[in-house]
Amino acid sequence: DIQMTQSPSSLSASVGDTVTITCRASQGISNYLAWFQQKPGKAPKSLIYGVSNLQSGVPSRFSGGGSGTEFTLTISSLQPEDFATYYCQHYNDYPLTFGGGTKVEIK
Amino acid sequence: EVQLLESGGGLVQPGGSLRLSCAASGFTFSSSAMSWFRQAPGKRLEWVSSVGINTPTNTYYADSVRGRFTISRDNSKNTVYLHMNSLRADDTAVYFCAKGRGSGWNGGDCWGQGTLVTVSS
Repeated sequence: DIQMTQSPSSLSASVGDTVTITCRASQGISNYLAWFQQKPGKAPKSLIYGVSNLQSGVPSRFSGGGSGTEFTLTISSLQPEDFATYYCQHYNDYPLTFGGGTKVEIK
Repeated sequence: EVQLLESGGGLVQPGGSLRLSCAASGFTFSSSAMSWFRQAPGKRLEWVSSVGINTPTNTYYADSVRGRFTISRDNSKNTVYLHMNSLRADDTAVYFCAKGRGSGWNGGDCWGQGTLVTVSS
């Protein structure tokens, strides 16, 4: 099974900051990488698929990049509604697996 | 508007069974792969099972549930099911259904609100 490792596990930032979250796969996953946002007590929300493609309705301050085994999610000009936990997921094959999550907190 | 509405969760004793349902609307259900995920309290998201547009040939399971859970779909009712047998305490979680992008998961694009399954005596 492919293991997904996110870093950091948490970070503190202020409104307007730019933050970057890293996700590493234990083996190459081509571009089969997605990102999700989850707020406490809520369902996940799909943000990005195929490494860098924004889901419909997702603000352009979210961007994804990377290739092979190392990927990033960048949030530019952090907004109050962006404070949440973010998960990466590979879908190169089954089983689908998620990273451990990165909690973005208000500084 | 795409909507997914799960139901069927609840409290069940170890060894018991439950059937979760996910009613879909707002898209062509028969053309979309569907998946179930779960999240135990304070834990990361975990994939449970997926079904392609043709069952039973295109069904996939996590090792932790294979042989105990069965995914199915009824395209006439726009509904995907997760039949759960031999439930264990570590199956306790919020279960989410989610819509794939096209005929496969492909990163998905819409999630239901979740239904809580508690396995306890």
